[in-house]
Amino acid sequence: AQSVTQLDSQVPVFEEAPVELRCNYSSSVSVYLFWYVQYPNQGLQLLLKYLSGSTLVKGINGFEAEFNKSQTSFHLRKPSVHISDTAEYFCAVSDQGGGADGLTFGKGTHLIIQP
Amino acid sequence: DAGVIQSPRHEVTEMGQEVTLRCKPISGHDYLFWYRQTMMRGLELLIYFNNNVPIDDSGMPEDRFSAKMPNASFSTLKIQPSEPRDSAVYFCASSHGLAGWGEQFFGPGTRLTVL
Repeated sequence: AQSVTQLDSQVPVFEEAPVELRCNYSSSVSVYLFWYVQYPNQGLQLLLKYLSGSTLVKGINGFEAEFNKSQTSFHLRKPSVHISDTAEYFCAVSDQGGGADGLTFGKGTHLIIQP
Repeated sequence: DAGVIQSPRHEVTEMGQEVTLRCKPISGHDYLFWYRQTMMRGLELLIYFNNNVPIDDSGMPEDRFSAKMPNASFSTLKIQPSEPRDSAVYFCASSHGLAGWGEQFFGPGTRLTVL
């Protein structure tokens, strides 16, 4: 089984400042990694994913994440945030075998953009 | 495609009543997932189906919960009898193929309140 730890439940940031949302995972097998975003009163939507290849992954809305196998991390970054980025962000992991555990989500990080 | 459709969007019921949540996955997707989201426990996978067959229901909290998928375009999650601790947002998601495990498409959710 896998687990995901999102170290910050809430991250306040000023508009146009950079942001990093932290995610660490644990697994006994190779994994796929994902970031999802949930805007208020909506379902989750995929921001980006790491399946293989380059460890730097670019996603929608200017977000990117870097897979660090040695540190078992997959932190999400954006160089300059906008007020519209206010949302809940979820890191998720699944094992590469597509096993019965499915997607395991972290508890989420609430990104608060301050004007 | 209209995306994953869930109904109702909001449900308020009294303890002891039967509740039925409905989901229509994206056409062509062969995996369907039911999740529950609460402040305390975050996002939990309840059950998932592959080609209409339940594969893993280990996340279903107890016998009061049941899920069915009679055909590729419809699934239900039933709670009978409902209890106040079942209050949560319930999400349905679908995906295509094993390789698409991580790219799950979520519906808008059903916010359930049990009084």
